[in-house]
Amino acid sequence: GENVEQHPSTLSVQEGDSAVIKCTYSDSASNYFPWYKQELGKRPQLIIDIRSNVGEKKDQRIAVTLNKTAKHFSLHITETQPEDSAVYFCADYKLSFGAGTTVTVRA
Amino acid sequence: DSGVTQTPKHLITATGQRVTLRCSPRSGDLSVYWYQQSLDQGLQFLIQYYNGEERAKGNILERFSAQQFPDLHSELNLSSLELGDSALYFCASSKGGTYGYTFGSGTRLTVV
Repeated sequence: GENVEQHPSTLSVQEGDSAVIKCTYSDSASNYFPWYKQELGKRPQLIIDIRSNVGEKKDQRIAVTLNKTAKHFSLHITETQPEDSAVYFCADYKLSFGAGTTVTVRA
Repeated sequence: DSGVTQTPKHLITATGQRVTLRCSPRSGDLSVYWYQQSLDQGLQFLIQYYNGEERAKGNILERFSAQQFPDLHSELNLSSLELGDSALYFCASSKGGTYGYTFGSGTRLTVV
């Protein structure tokens, strides 16, 4: 969506390495930032989200960081595994989605 | 099962026809969003309803319309279908405000 820009569009990493996806947003009122994972032919699933009153949130191998001043937030996946291969979407509080990042984890 | 139910799962129809896609939100969710996802494309926001009223509109064609009923289920109507309308159509629901949104499994529409 035009309100949320997402980079990179594709990302290939070696199994065990880290993957980082960045998104920038334009709406200053945005206070909630979810990340969705979509496997081929399936529905997007919420994997982690962050609210604007915190700068970082972790859930096992997944973390999200938020920089409100710069208006950007990032998804970090550590110790990547083949099952992490999917398309990842960021969004803002109005559920305007970024264009998606296709992540491929090479075994 | 996400709790958001979309029917039908698959739909094949001819150009020029009209179809209706249905979405039942999770119990207690008041907000419904509709999205279109073409092959290898992102999630294009179409329209949002909250408690029966249209809340936001995205890139929805004039040939498309939607509504949310008193029982909170929503329908997306697609008319004068074209080949380019072939896509996955998702709905998502939430309680509203800053809550996590949950997607249904989608309806795959194929226009031939």
